[in-house]
Amino acid sequence: GENVEQHPSTLSVQEGDSAVIKCTYSDSASNYFPWYKQELGKRPQLIIDIRSNVGEKKDQRIAVTLNKTAKHFSLHITETQPEDSAVYFCAALATYKYIFGTGTRLKVLA
Amino acid sequence: GAGVSQSPSNKVTEKGKDVELRCDPISGHTALYWYRQSLGQGLEFLIYFQGNSAPDKSGLPSDRFSAERTGGSVSTLTIQRTQQEDSAVYLCASSLDKGAHNEQFFGPGTRLTVL
Repeated sequence: GENVEQHPSTLSVQEGDSAVIKCTYSDSASNYFPWYKQELGKRPQLIIDIRSNVGEKKDQRIAVTLNKTAKHFSLHITETQPEDSAVYFCAALATYKYIFGTGTRLKVLA
Repeated sequence: GAGVSQSPSNKVTEKGKDVELRCDPISGHTALYWYRQSLGQGLEFLIYFQGNSAPDKSGLPSDRFSAERTGGSVSTLTIQRTQQEDSAVYLCASSLDKGAHNEQFFGPGTRLTVL
């Protein structure tokens, strides 16, 4: 069945450093790849997304890259801040069904 | 405007009891999803509703789980004869329509604890 693998499961970085989270998907029909941030006890919130017709998208300190051939997509956070600490989920959408990765717990150390 | 709401926020029940979880999607959103999030895990797809179409129930883990969506708006997820492994946060999400041009908005979730 469809699957999304996400790595690493935990990531600790020093404040100001960059963080990279990687996902791989299996369904070649996937055409939309959102990233969600979930703070402790809160609901997931969309932070950035990318569609299959582009290879990169950037929004301030956050960027996402997509390699459709390899079925890889990645989240890049630059100049990390303590408030970036949260669990991040990637997802892949085919038609209407979202398949989520298992999440990355990011800790930004002050 | 109001976002997706869910009730109750917390539910503690005894093994073997039935529970009903409610989701109020954003007004006008035709697509509605239920997910299960176990502690430290990702979001597991349970069921999808789109307008008046037959729902995709392929993610429901057993026949103890069912869901309905009345009038294309409010949805209830029912778990019969609850088991301890049903303990999780149940998240509802809605979007204006299906597909990549429609952001999915999540509710706050219902934390279910089965004793």
